[in-house]
Amino acid sequence: GEDVEQSLFLSVREGDSSVINCTYTDSSSTYLYWYKQEPGAGLQLLTYIFSNMDMKQDQRLTVLLNKKDKHLSLRIADTQTGDSAIYFCAESYSSASKIIFGSGTRLSIRP
Amino acid sequence: ETGVTQSPTHLIKTRGQQVTLRCSSQSGHNTVSWYQQALGQGPQFIFQYYREEENGRGNFPPRFSGLQFPNYSSELNVNALELDDSALYLCASSPGFGQGAADTQYFGPGTRLTVL
Repeated sequence: GEDVEQSLFLSVREGDSSVINCTYTDSSSTYLYWYKQEPGAGLQLLTYIFSNMDMKQDQRLTVLLNKKDKHLSLRIADTQTGDSAIYFCAESYSSASKIIFGSGTRLSIRP
Repeated sequence: ETGVTQSPTHLIKTRGQQVTLRCSSQSGHNTVSWYQQALGQGPQFIFQYYREEENGRGNFPPRFSGLQFPNYSSELNVNALELDDSALYLCASSPGFGQGAADTQYFGPGTRLTVL
């Protein structure tokens, strides 16, 4: 089946690291994504990782993939107020295939 | 800016009415997908069109239908609107299968539909 699960809320202090976790069920997924959605806005692709990779780093973002456990995480270093948003974990079989999204994790930043 | 536009931005309809939402993809993008995002949820796949033919459908009833045109624009039509159809509707376009990397599926800003 196709299912992506993630926790609903995360609160971190400004300047700390945020870690958002996700599990997925479809072992045939080739692409794993993290999208960001700010209030009233559309989806912004933050980063993605291929299923044959373990880790990807892009500036403040680090994605870790444990394919055996079907676990994906997004770490945001030095979290800022502008990082407040809903973060969606997602998967797809190919670059143009339907994307299966989780329900989103709302990240809030406290001073 | 993704180069994908959607219209209208907001729309209010009443139960039983019909609605048409529009998406304009980047030139050369042969694939368009539509998603429904209900409040507090992640986007759900409605269907995909590839070169003007439906190429996969999610768990949505037949009153959700679509069209894709040769000029890279597309429509999502919903008949007999129900209250639960209230959502943000997103389209996403890409160059097509086997022609891009994972970052080549571009989302539009969405149309927010409210059904009263």
